[in-house]
Amino acid sequence: GENVEQHPSTLSVQEGDSAVIKCTYSDSASNYFPWYKQELGKRPQLIIDIRSNVGEKKDQRIAVTLNKTAKHFSLHITETQPEDSAVYFCAASILTGGGNKLTFGTGTQLKVEL
Amino acid sequence: NAGVTQTPKFRVLKTGQSMTLLCAQDMNHEYMYWYRQDPGMGLRLIHYSVGEGTTAKGEVPDGYNVSRLKKQNFLLGLESAAPSQTSVYFCASSPTRLAGGGDEQFFGPGTRLTVL
Repeated sequence: GENVEQHPSTLSVQEGDSAVIKCTYSDSASNYFPWYKQELGKRPQLIIDIRSNVGEKKDQRIAVTLNKTAKHFSLHITETQPEDSAVYFCAASILTGGGNKLTFGTGTQLKVEL
Repeated sequence: NAGVTQTPKFRVLKTGQSMTLLCAQDMNHEYMYWYRQDPGMGLRLIHYSVGEGTTAKGEVPDGYNVSRLKKQNFLLGLESAAPSQTSVYFCASSPTRLAGGGDEQFFGPGTRLTVL
């Protein structure tokens, strides 16, 4: 089955700096790569996703890049703010007519310091 | 719309006891999922359903059973709870592309289960 590795496990940045979180996946058939943000005690919420026919996607301060050849994808957050502090999870799946079975990475605890 | 809701929010069980977690969604989604979240391990898929009356195993199905008798509800059962099942359980749902939806999974608020 699919295996997703995520690095780093913790990341501390100064407010206004950029943060980068990286993930690799094992199954070359995976074609959907979402990123979820989870605040302490809350549910995971989708912040951005990308499909394998796209190399990069951007939404305001958040961007995701995908390298299918190397089987890795990254989350980039620019101009970080204290409210960006949370745990971020990457995931991968093969979109079919049989549901969207996500395999998650182990998470990155991002801390944005004032 | 309430979105995805879960009942109960917290529960403490003794080893060997049984319980059922209820997930409900009011978005008319076809797909529903149960995950467990343990420290340092991310979320892992337990079981999922692609429609009313259908269920399938995920990554970590042992010790759990599920049922989807109604489209809006997805039940997760523990027949004989074990301490290894202490975790936070999240339910999620997503639409099909045929319904015009995207691929996003919408999560419930979670159930924190402790097995003593």
